Amino acid sequence: AQTVTQSQPEMSVQEAETVTLSCTYDTSENNYYLFWYKQPPSRQMILVIRQEAYKQQNATENRFSVNFQKAAKSFSLKISDSQLGDTAMYFCAQGGTSYGKLTFGQGTILTVHP
Amino acid sequence: DSGVTQTPKHLITATGQRVTLRCSPRSGDLSVYWYQQSLDQGLQFLIHYYNGEERAKGNILERFSAQQFPDLHSELNLSSLELGDSALYFCASSAHGGGTGELFFGEGSRLTVL
Repeated sequence: AQTVTQSQPEMSVQEAETVTLSCTYDTSENNYYLFWYKQPPSRQMILVIRQEAYKQQNATENRFSVNFQKAAKSFSLKISDSQLGDTAMYFCAQGGTSYGKLTFGQGTILTVHP
Repeated sequence: DSGVTQTPKHLITATGQRVTLRCSPRSGDLSVYWYQQSLDQGLQFLIHYYNGEERAKGNILERFSAQQFPDLHSELNLSSLELGDSALYFCASSAHGGGTGELFFGEGSRLTVL
């Protein structure tokens, strides 16, 4: 069974600062994918960034980057130059190549203060 | 806009009743997933359909059922509703049956059981 754990229920950061959200996972799959989704107050689930486990290079997407530590099964999200629009619930998720569903963590509520 | 359409957006009903939630996946996507997001909880996987066939079942109650039709839209049926069934129900779609990437989420159907 797959599990995803986000140990930070809430985080806050000042506008323009950098914040890191933590995520650990457990899976018996050799090939898998990791994702960070953002859920703003509108409740829409929006993909932020994706990492293929077989790629050693950490994924980046503009102000968003990940620190993927495969041996430690850790997948943290770094948000640089935080903006007010980054305020949202962030979910870490893991999916395998042998199945389509994603397993989500419990989420981290991020608040960006002006 | 993810391309995934869910109806209704909001639904209020009484305990013991039955409701049907509908999902139209992105054009060309063969897989549909249903997730439940209760208050203060993460997303719980309910069920996955691929091209009309059930592929995987998660924590779906026996009172709940789903199907995917030949035109690939899907319906989630919730019966004998209880107060605890109040939640946001998400539908997501992907192109394939296996884990090749991200899921595209609809805006969700918010169910309130009184």
